Amino acid sequence: KQEVTQIPAALSVPEGENLVLNCSFTDSAIYNLQWFRQDPGKGLTSLLLIQSSQREQTSGRLNASLDKSSGRSTLYIAASQPGDSATYLCAVGYHQEKLVFGKGTKLTVNP
Amino acid sequence: EAQVTQNPRYLITVTGKKLTVTCSQNMNHEYMSWYRQDPGLGLRQIYYSMNVEVTDKGDVPEGYKVSRKEKRNFPLILESPSPNQTSLYFCASKRDRVNTGELFFGEGSRLTVL
Repeated sequence: KQEVTQIPAALSVPEGENLVLNCSFTDSAIYNLQWFRQDPGKGLTSLLLIQSSQREQTSGRLNASLDKSSGRSTLYIAASQPGDSATYLCAVGYHQEKLVFGKGTKLTVNP
Repeated sequence: EAQVTQNPRYLITVTGKKLTVTCSQNMNHEYMSWYRQDPGLGLRQIYYSMNVEVTDKGDVPEGYKVSRKEKRNFPLILESPSPNQTSLYFCASKRDRVNTGELFFGEGSRLTVL
């Protein structure tokens, strides 16, 4: 069974800290992996998309890495800000349009 | 502005009263999908469509119907809603059928069935 796990479920850090969010998946035959941000009561906003042939993607203060062999991805957030507070979800894309979501990590950045 | 638009955003209804949640995208995307999000269960796919007149079941299709008569629209139909369909629903789209593209989400529709 294809499962995606995100640990921790919640994380609280002081402003300015660098942090890493983790995503692990059981089936390594992936097509891609996408990181999303979800604010309370809102939809999901795509942050970074990594194809299966790539090792990492960067956008501003965000860097996502992918290690297919170990079934892991990390989202690195540099110099965190209170505005980064949200729930971060990873989603793994498989054959025939199957997309499996993790349950997310709720991040709180304290001023 | 490129977007996925869902309506209504909030709805309270009663058991058995048919309802439709509309979804429209203005990006000429081939692929569209519906998800529901529930506490502790995460996001689960209901139905998806790879193109006009092509729809397939996701993980939790029971109690739902969809149609894709036009490329831009993908309505979700609850013929006889029940309380266990109380949830936050999301429509999403992406450019093509190949599972390599970025997925764009609507703002969500919060449905309560009494």
